Amino acid sequence: NSKVIQTPRYLVKGQGQKAKMRCIPEKGHPVVFWYQQNKNNEFKFLINFQNQEVLQQIDMTEKRFSAECPSNSPCSLEIQSSEAGDSALYLCASSWTGGNNQAPLFGEGTRLSVL
Amino acid sequence: GDQVEQSPSALSLHEGTGSALRCNFTTTMRAVQWFRKNSRGSLINLFYLASGTKENGRLKSAFDSKERYSTLHIRDAQLEDSGTYFCAAEAMSNYNVLYFGSGTKLTVEP
Repeated sequence: NSKVIQTPRYLVKGQGQKAKMRCIPEKGHPVVFWYQQNKNNEFKFLINFQNQEVLQQIDMTEKRFSAECPSNSPCSLEIQSSEAGDSALYLCASSWTGGNNQAPLFGEGTRLSVL
Repeated sequence: GDQVEQSPSALSLHEGTGSALRCNFTTTMRAVQWFRKNSRGSLINLFYLASGTKENGRLKSAFDSKERYSTLHIRDAQLEDSGTYFCAAEAMSNYNVLYFGSGTKLTVEP
């Protein structure tokens, strides 16, 4: 049973529409990651946070996504204008800070289909 | 990603036999994680290793950071072991971002 809760499970959007997904990390975990897994099983790191601050993000995320992890609210990842190529499984993971030898926990993902 | 090379991409086993999956890394990694993708597409954590070996039932994993590789051994394969397996390595200094392998599709046949 995943302790990282992602909603919605499925999301269908038209091209140009906003697509927003949410993630509740494991209680106490300060670090949150978002990854994209495409239909070819290729994973791409998108962004990560420590508490409310962005640690690192790729260029695509900075340009086309809006992401945040407010205190006492779910983290969110929003595509501002969906494209067909954004159709993928979006995975959220949370963890303790580095070096503590504990595995990050993954949610079950939000599967986005852009029509 | 380019940092992780996973092999084989596909593997077929008869029930009761075994084999190994391998991931090679282009750089030193802090830890490695092995997953199996379930029928819903979710990632099921199998192992997380910072060093050495771990065993769980018919699965055993090893990680050698210095030699830059990890393996996942499956013995006495069962039909329900069929699925896609991924390794993911945790970068040493890149905010613990995971670099995933391309996956191994395992098919276990009667």
